[in-house]
Amino acid sequence: NAGVTQTPKFQVLKTGQSMTLQCAQDMNHEYMSWYRQDPGMGLRLIHYSVGAGITDQGEVPNGYNVSRSTTEDFPLRLLSAAPSQTSVYFCASSYRTSGTGELFFGEGSRLTVL
Amino acid sequence: AQKVTQAQTEISVVEKEDVTLDCVYETRDTTYYLFWYKQPPSGELVFLIRRNSFDEQNEISGRYSWNFQKSTSSFNFTITASQVVDSAVYFCALSEITGGFKTIFGAGTRLFVKA
Repeated sequence: NAGVTQTPKFQVLKTGQSMTLQCAQDMNHEYMSWYRQDPGMGLRLIHYSVGAGITDQGEVPNGYNVSRSTTEDFPLRLLSAAPSQTSVYFCASSYRTSGTGELFFGEGSRLTVL
Repeated sequence: AQKVTQAQTEISVVEKEDVTLDCVYETRDTTYYLFWYKQPPSGELVFLIRRNSFDEQNEISGRYSWNFQKSTSSFNFTITASQVVDSAVYFCALSEITGGFKTIFGAGTRLFVKA
């Protein structure tokens, strides 16, 4: 199994540009989420979804959009990139109804905004 | 609201020393899950353990052990006889049932194990 796949792994943007980070999982997980990791800040939740068609905001949602049209995919959109969005982004998924809640992570996407 | 505090930013030990990583959490739920994840220098995030709020039994897995105390809202992680390969950032996390298992992480503790 591929698990959780994120693309691209690296991206450089200019301020004001838009882009989409892709995330796909092949484990039929209901729950998917996006985190950003910054030095000293740990992993902060951006948006999450508990199933297709359902999304909600996390701790730091401003400047990001998400949608969940299928169980497998959960793209993260940066509408107008800012230097403050320079970070490493992780997509994660888990079983929801099983009660486990353990997160399976992608390999991360390093984004630099100039 | 959910909150996880890892007060230790960095810890440095010499190989074979024991080390305890602290985790304190806040939640209003009576049903929740606590986790520890490891992030080695290679950058991937690795699940270590899950504990639910109704199970306060301590757990031991090899050199790793976890101490869950609801009375102090703590879920501490001890590595016995540390090894260089234990060098990593360790994250404690909290997942609440009412949040649909929305998982919130602490800031992490960076552990350096010197040979």
